[in-house]
Amino acid sequence: SAVISQKPSRDICQRGTSLTIQCQVDSQVTMMFWYRQQPGQSLTLIATANQGSEATYESGFVIDKFPISRPNLTFSTLTVSNMSPEDSSIYLCSVGGPRTSGSAIQGEQYFGPGTRLTVT
Amino acid sequence: GQSLEQPSEVTAVEGAIVQINCTYQTSGFYGLSWYQQHDGGAPTFLSYNALDGLEETGRFSSFLSRSDSYGYLLLQELQMKDSASYFCAVNNTDKLIFGTGTRLQVFP
Repeated sequence: SAVISQKPSRDICQRGTSLTIQCQVDSQVTMMFWYRQQPGQSLTLIATANQGSEATYESGFVIDKFPISRPNLTFSTLTVSNMSPEDSSIYLCSVGGPRTSGSAIQGEQYFGPGTRLTVT
Repeated sequence: GQSLEQPSEVTAVEGAIVQINCTYQTSGFYGLSWYQQHDGGAPTFLSYNALDGLEETGRFSSFLSRSDSYGYLLLQELQMKDSASYFCAVNNTDKLIFGTGTRLQVFP
């Protein structure tokens, strides 16, 4: 299984500022995913980050608001730009399951501990 | 649109059996996963069904009917530590689309 760390674990930010969240994996992975989860709610996929290409954003999320970097196979960042109180949420990164015989274990993802963001 | 519906909350007592249902409507489907999330924790993978039928993993089993766009998670011999939120998720190519989530409360 993959071990994932995120920084920061939590932050309180003022509206109009930006925060960059880091995600580090202990093994090389092709795809990394960024989710948002409001307390007591489900997980919503923001974007998929592939190394060497631009991230693919889901409906309702745009690059200007959530720029993503993926400089190598073990690291990614998500920036929440020009924040408003509506951006207060938990942000999680995840990676797909380990590959066996060259094929990924479908449906299995490993999640980081999350970054709890509060915007005032 | 895409939707995965689950009951919002389920309660049960220790030792009981509980079933959490999931109905889905998505544009693509490769399989159905189940995740457990304790308060303040990260989601953890429980099971995955790509084909119709029942998959058993210890006290947990998961069922899928692709023709009915329906699945469920069955938890047996409930323990207090099973109190958590449970999410179904559709595997759509390489990404997951999560259901609305079910909060399970287990009472002594």
